[in-house]
Amino acid sequence: DTAVSQTPKYLVTQMGNDKSIKCEQNLGHDTMYWYKQDSKKFLKIMFSYNNKELIINETVPNRFSPKSPDKAHLNLHINSLELGDSAVYFCASSLGQNQPQHFGDGTRLSIL
Amino acid sequence: QKEVEQDPGPLSVPEGAIVSLNCTYSNSAFQYFMWYRQYSRKGPELLMYTYSSGNKEDGRFTAQVDKSSKYISLFIRDSQPSDSATYLCAMRVGQGAQKLVFGQGTRLTINP
Repeated sequence: DTAVSQTPKYLVTQMGNDKSIKCEQNLGHDTMYWYKQDSKKFLKIMFSYNNKELIINETVPNRFSPKSPDKAHLNLHINSLELGDSAVYFCASSLGQNQPQHFGDGTRLSIL
Repeated sequence: QKEVEQDPGPLSVPEGAIVSLNCTYSNSAFQYFMWYRQYSRKGPELLMYTYSSGNKEDGRFTAQVDKSSKYISLFIRDSQPSDSATYLCAMRVGQGAQKLVFGQGTRLTINP
């Protein structure tokens, strides 16, 4: 029973391409997040949605566009991929904005 | 200066030892403190969640918060090889749409 699931787990692509990562949670949570973890293991928030509404939007290039079709899904689309986008992207969810966050297992993005 | 400082290690101890993991922070407005455990190729998993200064115990794990010193700790008693992972501290200012700020993570190895 996967609580927060991300697809794909691995993504290898060329610079300049456009790609999407999908996230789904079956916990009944109403708040979802995207994080980026770099090679030094720093985990930084990118976006947060509460009931499909964007509530946190960190300083992220506008090549990154999140979309929340419903409370259980939060997708991340990335245009014109750059070498510096190589990282692990984690989706997370919580019940409300103040409760602990539960993470998926990440999508490992490698840009060639 | 980073908002949250955590020694990345690596830290290697023998099985059965008491492990102490620490984070310092600069933002005195942080009120909620968390410890996450991250196994290789997995997402962070919440271990401890605390509010305010003091100790919180859960099995072999004890979380300690000292707001006056801006210092938090996680103690692991009777450490096991299965505790080998990266441990990340995280903290948040308060209620509402507030982002989690993570430390870099400490890589811990428990040797049998």
